[in-house]
Amino acid sequence: DGGITQSPKYLFRKEGQNVTLSCEQNLNHDAMYWYRQDPGQGLRLIYYSQIVNDFQKGDIAEGYSVSREKKESFPLTVTSAQKNPTAFYLCASSISAVEWFFGEGSRLTVL
Amino acid sequence: KQEVTQIPAALSVPEGENLVLNCSFTDSAIYNLQWFRQDPGKGLTSLLLIQSSQREQTSGRLNASLDKSSGRSTLYIAASQPGDSATYLCAALYNFNKFYFGSGTKLNVKP
Repeated sequence: DGGITQSPKYLFRKEGQNVTLSCEQNLNHDAMYWYRQDPGQGLRLIYYSQIVNDFQKGDIAEGYSVSREKKESFPLTVTSAQKNPTAFYLCASSISAVEWFFGEGSRLTVL
Repeated sequence: KQEVTQIPAALSVPEGENLVLNCSFTDSAIYNLQWFRQDPGKGLTSLLLIQSSQREQTSGRLNASLDKSSGRSTLYIAASQPGDSATYLCAALYNFNKFYFGSGTKLNVKP
């Protein structure tokens, strides 16, 4: 079945550590996105990529980095520069901005 | 600045009631508007998409309307069921890439 796979589902980070969240899709979608969701709030866009080897900052890119070396993969690194990284992270992919698929999410907690 | 607002933030109804969820957006230059469902700790599932040129979309017991001139969309759920309990998010898409999400309406349908 086609879809988006995020891993890990739960992740704990110590202060000062970088962590990487994985996002893989087998839908052959060109566009992929990372969103952050905080309790009681809507999703906010971190980074997006419309094509391999290209990506753009979203509204809250500071403290995050991404890469898009393969069409299927769009990993997100939460760096130590991100001051408040505890959140629920969602990856999405899209074709023609009409059909959207979201992963199951990764919950990151800073210890 | 594009903003999306959803009211109410939470709603509790007895099973069988018809209900309306509201979404408003500040910038009417949307590409499309989508309604999503999110179960606790999960990703988003697309329910209905309304293109900017459309007025409404229907799927089963769900009907979504769009009024661009007033910056409003509504999601109507007929004959609600306990399985409808979830958080419902609306999102306005601008520039083919950027979704702006509301903070959601948490629905509880009591048996």
